[in-house]
Amino acid sequence: GAGVSQSPSNKVTEKGKDVELRCDPISGHTALYWYRQSLGQGLEFLIYFQGNSAPDKSGLPSDRFSAERTGGSVSTLTIQRTQQEDSAVYLCASSPRLAGATDTQYFGPGTRLTVL
Amino acid sequence: AQSVTQLDSHVSVSEGTPVLLRCNYSSSYSPSLFWYVQHPNKGLQLLLKYTSAATLVKGINGFEAEFKKSETSFHLTKPSAHMSDAAEYFCVVSVGGSTLGRLYFGRGTQLTVWP
Repeated sequence: GAGVSQSPSNKVTEKGKDVELRCDPISGHTALYWYRQSLGQGLEFLIYFQGNSAPDKSGLPSDRFSAERTGGSVSTLTIQRTQQEDSAVYLCASSPRLAGATDTQYFGPGTRLTVL
Repeated sequence: AQSVTQLDSHVSVSEGTPVLLRCNYSSSYSPSLFWYVQHPNKGLQLLLKYTSAATLVKGINGFEAEFKKSETSFHLTKPSAHMSDAAEYFCVVSVGGSTLGRLYFGRGTQLTVWP
């Protein structure tokens, strides 16, 4: 079946612009996660959703970052007033539910963001 | 607090020889442990996971890992490397409680396989 999809695959933007990154989870998966992969920091957790609510937003690096999920499916990660340090690959993952630490997260191919 | 240390940033092996990728973890709770692989321009793929059922875990493509609580290690092995194994490998920790939903990643080990 279809996996996690993300769009766009690549995004180049100018410093100070806002960007939106989209994630389509595997159909039926109620839990959705965002991570960031950068050269300096490795892979970092940003936020997760259980349904449409986000119990843990503490991984978001600043208030310029926000995310929402509507209808329990698609999620959008928004970065306002982008900075060069926001350049990274943004990964989305989903799992059937969030029941415990053993749940497998299924990852999308990522969106590569470059801020000039 | 949770953390993962992958002891080698790069490992090079010849095709047909064994692979060993080392991982140590630190966790305040009983962890679940995972190994993910990332091929160039591809998403992360789960290789295997430890969930306390058995300490020796077998995964896809002939990989296996052994959980050793006394050594806080979860090393990944494969008896015979194949060219297609060349990729980046991530050791990952997950716990419940207040950090439920978060995966903690190591910095990755780049595996090169020589013909």
